[in-house]
Amino acid sequence: DAGVIQSPRHEVTEMGQEVTLRCKPISGHDYLFWYRQTMMRGLELLIYFNNNVPIDDSGMPEDRFSAKMPNASFSTLKIQPSEPRDSAVYFCASSQVGNTEAFFGQGTRLTVV
Amino acid sequence: QKEVEQNSGPLSVPEGAIASLNCTYSDRVSQSFFWYRQYSGKSPELIMSIYSNGDKEDGRFTAQLNKASQYVSLLIRDSQPSDSATYLCAKSGNTGKLIFGQGTTLQVKP
Repeated sequence: DAGVIQSPRHEVTEMGQEVTLRCKPISGHDYLFWYRQTMMRGLELLIYFNNNVPIDDSGMPEDRFSAKMPNASFSTLKIQPSEPRDSAVYFCASSQVGNTEAFFGQGTRLTVV
Repeated sequence: QKEVEQNSGPLSVPEGAIASLNCTYSDRVSQSFFWYRQYSGKSPELIMSIYSNGDKEDGRFTAQLNKASQYVSLLIRDSQPSDSATYLCAKSGNTGKLIFGQGTTLQVKP
């Protein structure tokens, strides 16, 4: 398996623009997680899905953030409108079942100028 | 109180020494615990998972779990410069939610 695949790897955008991050989990994995990592706040859980259903989105910072999982092989995280404080590395991870180890994608480094 | 707490470090040890990394968590219902290693600019990768009280050994790594004290640790024996990285502790409960600590930076000096 190719592992968790994220795109793009790097994104530079202007404040106010819409940003869409994409993730393809490992085939057969039922759980998908979106994390944001910054020096100040570490690795924060934004939202996670089980069998394509959002289970907990309490980590989503504000309404500008939204996430979808239309099928078992694809998820998006959208920021609209983007702000400079959204600059971070965004990771997607998947796990086969609950309470087991998660495998991470390579991450998307987002810079909002 | 954070759900998972780690000392951010840096923890500096000489090559060949034992590095001890510690983590505490805030609840009594979490069932699964993990240690991940993250090199600068890379994504986290799993080193160890532990599900029951006691020790679990894998090569130079030993994870220790004490659910009564809400404490999990990672020992790295014969530390190498290549072990220099940030080590992330994580927990998961019956909902599958996976929460990470801030991470501890380890520096192994030759």
